[in-house]
Amino acid sequence: LAKTTQPISMDSYEGQEVNITCSHNNIATNDYITWYQQFPSQGPRFIIQGYKTKVTNEVASLFIPADRKSSTLSLPRVSLSDTAVYYCLVGSLRDSNYQLIWGAGTKLIIKP
Amino acid sequence: GAGVSQSPSNKVTEKGKDVELRCDPISGHTALYWYRQSLGQGLEFLIYFQGNSAPDKSGLPSDRFSAERTGGSVSTLTIQRTQQEDSAVYLCASSSPGQGGETQYFGPGTRLLVL
Repeated sequence: LAKTTQPISMDSYEGQEVNITCSHNNIATNDYITWYQQFPSQGPRFIIQGYKTKVTNEVASLFIPADRKSSTLSLPRVSLSDTAVYYCLVGSLRDSNYQLIWGAGTKLIIKP
Repeated sequence: GAGVSQSPSNKVTEKGKDVELRCDPISGHTALYWYRQSLGQGLEFLIYFQGNSAPDKSGLPSDRFSAERTGGSVSTLTIQRTQQEDSAVYLCASSSPGQGGETQYFGPGTRLLVL
């Protein structure tokens, strides 16, 4: 199974672009990469998911290089409300076996 | 429609007592997960249900922990003879896995405190 590693914490300022990189050297062919956001006292919330190259939605972009051994979540023009913990998740569901590996989370603090 | 709901939202119990935590997944979601999250920590996988298949219990930390899912919908996580180290937030999530990736929808969690 892929081991998922991400920075413990990051700081940035309002209006900046923030990039959080997750490494997953042993990612399997069928594995997807998903990022979740978690605010205090809430469950995680889906941000974005990708398999390869680049994915963009209304809140973030996800960059995945050709070897897929890492991925970068990009948050454009962050605001104070983006202060949260961001989790990288790698894996795929196969029948009844849980094969999803969560990173330990990156605590992102946005300063005014 | 409604999201994932969990009850109770908070539970305080005494060491040695049994507790039951409930999860109501999103209607139609075939997959259901239980996680544990200690204060300031990441997500610890506990158990996974998918349709009518036997659940993956590989994450349950001891035989004091068990879970069931009735009728492919509501799930109950039971912790017997609770210990202080069981204090944590217990999160439930559901999804509708497809050919590709899947999105897990999380409930707000049950905060368990064992005195």
